[in-house]
Amino acid sequence: RKEVEQDPGPFNVPEGATVAFNCTYSNSASQSFFWYRQDCRKEPKLLMSVYSSGNEDGRFTAQLNRASQYISLLIRDSKLSDSATYLCVVIARTGGFKTIFGAGTRLFVKA
Amino acid sequence: SQTIHQWPATLVQPVGSPLSLECTVEGTSNPNLYWYRQAAGRGLQLLFYSVGIGQISSEVPQNLSASRPQDRQFILSSKKLLLSDSGFYLCAWSARDRGYGANVLTFGAGSRLTVL
Repeated sequence: RKEVEQDPGPFNVPEGATVAFNCTYSNSASQSFFWYRQDCRKEPKLLMSVYSSGNEDGRFTAQLNRASQYISLLIRDSKLSDSATYLCVVIARTGGFKTIFGAGTRLFVKA
Repeated sequence: SQTIHQWPATLVQPVGSPLSLECTVEGTSNPNLYWYRQAAGRGLQLLFYSVGIGQISSEVPQNLSASRPQDRQFILSSKKLLLSDSGFYLCAWSARDRGYGANVLTFGAGSRLTVL
């Protein structure tokens, strides 16, 4: 079983749609959680951190459920420019810190 | 502010040739440094990480090696490339362990390697 699992996608949605990505993690020592965005043939970039209380950044909302070991990302009013791969990232404390990437979920937003 | 530079951006190399990819970080000291590889359509694979000069940990045995000759310089090398070495190589840095959120990775722009 992978330490971080995501919906493989791809998700094909029209502009203006709301789309949700899910991610589960298996390492109970996980302490920090993030969503990264990776455009085609580019490097991953930090999109937002994820907190237990939930956090919002414009059209993006991230949620963390530690009991279920589940992370989500909600994108409202999708734009064409949201088309990218979204990576779920978990940092676990195992002696030092270990960063674990999910395989990513591909999103296509179409006009 | 911190910046990370990685070069070359693109290279095409014949099988059996050597490789050297370089990465430097500015605006910080004592960073953790990483080399990742991403094969076409695949996830990120951690190759090497370093917590200090001369300290290299290898995650995946292969024909690649890494070196950290200076605090903010990380080099990925190979003596003889294989076809399977083709991919997108990403250097990344993070701050030293300081607790929650300290290990957020920031990536360089990547080096796309094609081995023919």
